[in-house]
Amino acid sequence: DVKVTQSSRYLVKRTGEKVFLECVQDMDHENMFWYRQDPGLGLRLIYFSYDVKMKEKGDIPEGYSVSREKKERFSLILESASTNQTSMYLCASSLDRVTEKLFFGSGTQLSVL
Amino acid sequence: QKEVEQNSGPLSVPEGAIASLNCTYSDRVSQSFFWYRQYSGKSPELIMSIYSNGDKEDGRFTAQLNKASQYVSLLIRDSQPSDSATYLCAVNWNTNAGKSTFGDGTTLTVKP
Repeated sequence: DVKVTQSSRYLVKRTGEKVFLECVQDMDHENMFWYRQDPGLGLRLIYFSYDVKMKEKGDIPEGYSVSREKKERFSLILESASTNQTSMYLCASSLDRVTEKLFFGSGTQLSVL
Repeated sequence: QKEVEQNSGPLSVPEGAIASLNCTYSDRVSQSFFWYRQYSGKSPELIMSIYSNGDKEDGRFTAQLNKASQYVSLLIRDSQPSDSATYLCAVNWNTNAGKSTFGDGTTLTVKP
C-alpha cells in the first residue's frame, strides 16, 4: 500500500514563526500536493509539484512556499505564520499526471497562536 | 459560485436505505470525477472514479455521471452505519494536470 507520511499530527506555533511541514511518500510517485482543509471551505490546493525541484501554485499560495529536493519528499513552508493559517494541512501524492488517484497523509493540525 | 458544489447536508438515512449524494460542477473542460470518503478525524480516501457518461458500479457504490447536465452523483445501496462519513466530490479539469478541485463535502449519517 502507498504510504504518505506527514511528520506531525498536531503542531502549535506562535505568530511570526517559520513553520516547516514535511511529507514523505514511499511509492515513487511523481506528483505531490499540499491542501488545507477548513470547515465550510473544503479542501483547497496550496501548491503542487510534478517533479523534483519543480513547483506550481495552487489556488491559495499566498503566505506559503514549498520545496521538493527529493522525489519522495515535499515540504510546505510558512515563512511567517499567521493566525489565519490555523488549519488542517493534508499532503497527497499521485503516481503521475494520468493516474489521478490521490493518496493522502494523515494530516497535520496546525494551530497558530 | 464555486466550481464544485455539493449538497451541504447533513444527510441522514436509516440503515439499509439508499443514500444519494449529489455534486454539480462549473462548465469547464472536465474529464475526471472522483468520490472520496472522509471519516471524522481521518484523511480522505478514494472510493470511486468515473470518466464517461453513465453509471459505474463497485459493490454497494454506484457513481453516475451526466456531463450534459454537469452533475455527478454517488449512490450507496444498503447503507450501513460504517458508511457514516463526509463524502467529497472532486473534479479534474484536465487529465494531464493531475490536480483535483474538491467540493465542500456532504456529511452522511446512517442510523441503525
